[in-house]
Amino acid sequence: ELKVEQNPLFLSMQEGKNYTIYCNYSTTSDRLYWYRQDPGKSLESLFVLLSNGAVKQEGRLMASLDTKARLSTLHITAAVHDLSATYFCAVDGSGGSNYKLTFGKGTLLTVNP
Amino acid sequence: DADVTQTPRNRITKTGKRIMLECSQTKGHDRMYWYRQDPGLGLQLIYYSFDVKDINKGEISDGYSVSRQAQAKFSLSLESAIPNQTALYFCATSDPPGQGTDTQYFGPGTRLTVL
Repeated sequence: ELKVEQNPLFLSMQEGKNYTIYCNYSTTSDRLYWYRQDPGKSLESLFVLLSNGAVKQEGRLMASLDTKARLSTLHITAAVHDLSATYFCAVDGSGGSNYKLTFGKGTLLTVNP
Repeated sequence: DADVTQTPRNRITKTGKRIMLECSQTKGHDRMYWYRQDPGLGLQLIYYSFDVKDINKGEISDGYSVSRQAQAKFSLSLESAIPNQTALYFCATSDPPGQGTDTQYFGPGTRLTVL
């Protein structure tokens, strides 16, 4: 059974600081997704990582995937208040068929002025 | 207009009642999914469908059933609702791998409360 662990689950940081969210998973997969959820809202796709060594960047967020270590990271650079949200990683456990995403529990990020 | 819509957005019902949650999409995707979200637990897959004739159980299908009425419509039913089915329910759609954007698109969610 595929297990996906995110840490930390809660992250409070100051504006301007850098931090990294980690996503570990238990079985082989080379497809990993990051989503953002604002309170009471739906999930918004941030990054799709489809191979070992994949790196994607959008604004102050950068995601990477190491399939050998079964680890993805979401790095936040110079945080701003607008980044406050819950971030989920999800791993495709279907062997590449993209139909069985297993989600982590999410990281609630709060960026303080 | 939203690409993935869900109705109702909020629903309060009583234990033992049958209810249906509906999902419609205009993205033209063949694949559709139902998830539930509980606080602190992420999302869990209830059912998924690759096309009108291909429906599969997810990890937590007990107590739920689905119907794929058309490519664009996928409904989730709770035959006899119970309080621990109180949750936020999301519908999602996607292309097959290697086609389109390789991600799932989520609807706005339905907040269900079972008293």
